[in-house]
Amino acid sequence: EAGVTQSPTHLIKTRGQQATLRCSPISGHTSVYWYQQALGLGLQFLLWYDEGEERNRGNFPPRFSGRQFPNYSSELNVNALELEDSALYLCASRPNGPFRSQYFGPGTRLLVL
Amino acid sequence: QKEVEQDPGPLSVPEGAIVSLNCTYSNSAFQYFMWYRQYSRKGPELLMYTYSSGNKEDGRFTAQVDKSSKYISLFIRDSQPSDSATYLCAMKTGGTSYGKLTFGQGTILTVHP
Repeated sequence: EAGVTQSPTHLIKTRGQQATLRCSPISGHTSVYWYQQALGLGLQFLLWYDEGEERNRGNFPPRFSGRQFPNYSSELNVNALELEDSALYLCASRPNGPFRSQYFGPGTRLLVL
Repeated sequence: QKEVEQDPGPLSVPEGAIVSLNCTYSNSAFQYFMWYRQYSRKGPELLMYTYSSGNKEDGRFTAQVDKSSKYISLFIRDSQPSDSATYLCAMKTGGTSYGKLTFGQGTILTVHP
């Protein structure tokens, strides 16, 4: 079974630009989660999508947004990039049903110069 | 105060040692508890998942949850150099309304031959 995939693996942008990160969940998983892992801050929850709808968001400004497509893949957009947005962005997917956990992809490393 | 506290280490042990990793939490609504392993420059990999107090064993790994003390542990028996990684505890509240995981800071473990 193929795992969660993310693209690109690395992304370099300059301050003020926009970044788009993509995620394909494990086949059959309908929920997609986005997390930010910045140095010294640990893994912070960003967004949760399920069945195409945003279900919950973490304490991040509105310039962090995303969407989920009918095939359950997802996109994270970060507008007006700031230096502190440099981090590893992780996507996770979860199958439907109770008592299920999340499975992570390898991440996209974003560097803002 | 953080919701989940985890000693970042680093922890260095000889091959074959028993390793004990711990997290404490303050939110009594946490019902589900996970341990993830993250190798350098990779996404977190799910190791253990429990949703009740007590012990759960899987090979060399034992997860322990004590909800009355708000304390969880992961024990690794007969540790191997391949166990060298960052170990993250993660927790989730009950129900499906809040799907996010709350992570500890992670403990860096090195097992030397």
